[in-house]
Amino acid sequence: NAGVTQTPKFQVLKTGQSMTLQCAQDMNHNSMYWYRQDPGMGLRLIYYSASEGTTDKGEVPNGYNVSRLNKREFSLRLESAAPSQTSVYFCASSERDSATAFNQPQHFGDGTRLSIL
Amino acid sequence: AQKITQTQPGMFVQEKEAVTLDCTYDTSDPSYGLFWYKQPSSGEMIFLIYQGSYDQQNATEGRYSLNFQKARKSANLVISASQLGDSAMYFCAMRGGSSNTGKLIFGQGTTLQVKP
Repeated sequence: NAGVTQTPKFQVLKTGQSMTLQCAQDMNHNSMYWYRQDPGMGLRLIYYSASEGTTDKGEVPNGYNVSRLNKREFSLRLESAAPSQTSVYFCASSERDSATAFNQPQHFGDGTRLSIL
Repeated sequence: AQKITQTQPGMFVQEKEAVTLDCTYDTSDPSYGLFWYKQPSSGEMIFLIYQGSYDQQNATEGRYSLNFQKARKSANLVISASQLGDSAMYFCAMRGGSSNTGKLIFGQGTTLQVKP
């Protein structure tokens, strides 16, 4: 009963290094999301993919890129890591997402704790 | 702009008592959904309960219920018969129905401590 699986769970990077966070879901969900959580704050949306083949920017997309590899997988890439990107990153998925399907709960992975020195 | 406000940074409750966690929201969308998530110290986000803006009745899920007051734009979470395992951070979140596809707006959270 895996749900949403994120790898790695922890990572330390140096400023300027690149890295890809991986996310896979086994619930046959159409929509997937990447969030970041900073201390004392709620989650903020970085990018999302409403369906396979589409991606859109969220609230804080600068410094990130995403790839919806297939229906199951949605990766987040930091091309040149900066200390301001130190955060906990969460991937989530929902059955579908549209202007009329806003009642679908998003199911989250366990998070990736990323530190950039 | 949509906004979620949780005004209680921290709350204490005695085991077996009920507790209410406050959430107010602001949106111009006529249709929207409200969600509550629990984040234990281990870090994962657990979906608890959902309330739709057009739902006639308050949502309930086991020991969790939602006190939804649409006119006041509040969606407070009520946890009955608190247990030690309820100690966690709780987030209220909103999803607008018209122009915010994909965007779940979160409040800053309330930390709940259950005392034995």
